Amino acid sequence: GENVEQHPSTLSVQEGDSAVIKCTYSDSASNYFPWYKQELGKRPQLIIDIRSNVGEKKDQRIAVTLNKTAKHFSLHITETQPEDSAVYFCAAHDGGSNYKLTFGKGTLLTVNP
Amino acid sequence: GAGVSQSPSNKVTEKGKDVELRCDPISGHTALYWYRQSLGQGLEFLIYFQGNSAPDKSGLPSDRFSAERTGGSVSTLTIQRTQQEDSAVYLCASSPQGVGELFFGEGSRLTVL
Repeated sequence: GENVEQHPSTLSVQEGDSAVIKCTYSDSASNYFPWYKQELGKRPQLIIDIRSNVGEKKDQRIAVTLNKTAKHFSLHITETQPEDSAVYFCAAHDGGSNYKLTFGKGTLLTVNP
Repeated sequence: GAGVSQSPSNKVTEKGKDVELRCDPISGHTALYWYRQSLGQGLEFLIYFQGNSAPDKSGLPSDRFSAERTGGSVSTLTIQRTQQEDSAVYLCASSPQGVGELFFGEGSRLTVL
């Protein structure tokens, strides 16, 4: 089955700096890579996703890049703000008919004012 | 309802008792997941239902845990003879058939005394 590794487990940045979270996956057939944000005490919610036919996708201050050859993908947050503080989870979807989603262990991002 | 609904939102039980947690997915969603999240930890996969396929039970931590999904809709997670280490938030999530966004419920917080 799919295995997703996520790094770092914790990340602390100053407000206005950029933050980068990296993930690797094992199943070369995986074709969908979402990122979820979980604020303290709340449910995880999708913030951005990328499919295997695209190398990069941006949405305002958030971008995701995908390298299928190396089997890794990254989340980039620019001009970080205190409200970006949360746990971020990457995930990879099984490329077969099972469609099972496998999550990384999460990154606790703290943006210091 | 518009979203994934879970009940109860909070459950306090005594060690050794059985508990049932319920999940009502979004109507029409064929995929349903159960995750466990201990305080400050990641999303621990428990079980995955996809349409009429046999469920993926590979994440269930012991035979005290079981889950069913009736009529392709409502799911119940049952924990028998609860232990203190079962204390956690149990999250349910559903998604449409195939590859797409996962919608999480608010979770059921279980406390075993």
